[in-house]
Amino acid sequence: QQNVQQSPESLIVPEGARTSLNCTFSDSASQYFWWYRQHSGKAPKALMSIFSNGEKEEGRFTIHLNKASLHFSLHIRDSQPSDSALYLCAGGTGGLSGKLTFGEGTQVTVIS
Amino acid sequence: GPKVLQIPSHQIIDMGQMVTLNCDPVSNHLYFYWYKQILGQQMEFLVNFYNGKVMEKSKLFKDQFSVERPDGSYFTLKIQPTALEDSAVYFCASSSGLGGLYEQYFGPGTRLTVL
Repeated sequence: QQNVQQSPESLIVPEGARTSLNCTFSDSASQYFWWYRQHSGKAPKALMSIFSNGEKEEGRFTIHLNKASLHFSLHIRDSQPSDSALYLCAGGTGGLSGKLTFGEGTQVTVIS
Repeated sequence: GPKVLQIPSHQIIDMGQMVTLNCDPVSNHLYFYWYKQILGQQMEFLVNFYNGKVMEKSKLFKDQFSVERPDGSYFTLKIQPTALEDSAVYFCASSSGLGGLYEQYFGPGTRLTVL
């Protein structure tokens, strides 16, 4: 069964700084990779996804995927207090499986 | 954006009783999921459901668990009887397609406490 490790467990960053979150998968079963963000007491909401090796940027958010090293990362430029949340990485397999395998999450706090 | 609703937000019941967790998925979605999150641990897949049938389930989806969506109403997770280890937050999700390619939209969760 696939394991997903996220690091760090928690992070405090000053407003305006860059935040970097990491995710490592235990095997190559996942083909689709997602970052979800969950504000306290709210539903997890998809932030970005990537399905092939490389980088993808949307506004202040950039994700990197390296399938060979099973490493997946999220970078937030110019972090804002509204970015304070739990960030979850998840991997999905192809075919007829809808199962997402999640990490435990990184709790990010952006302080003014 | 599209929202998934879950009712109730909290439920406290005695061990051995039956509980039904309700999910109102995104209106045009066809695929439905339940995930379980024990305090301090990651969210884990329980089951997915399409066209009236369980498509895939994990080993966490015990015989005491069942899912259904009668006549396009709520998508439900029923646990009968409940056990102490069923205490967790249960998240419902829905998607327009099946497979990791499609975004799963999550509800805010139902916190179940079994005493």
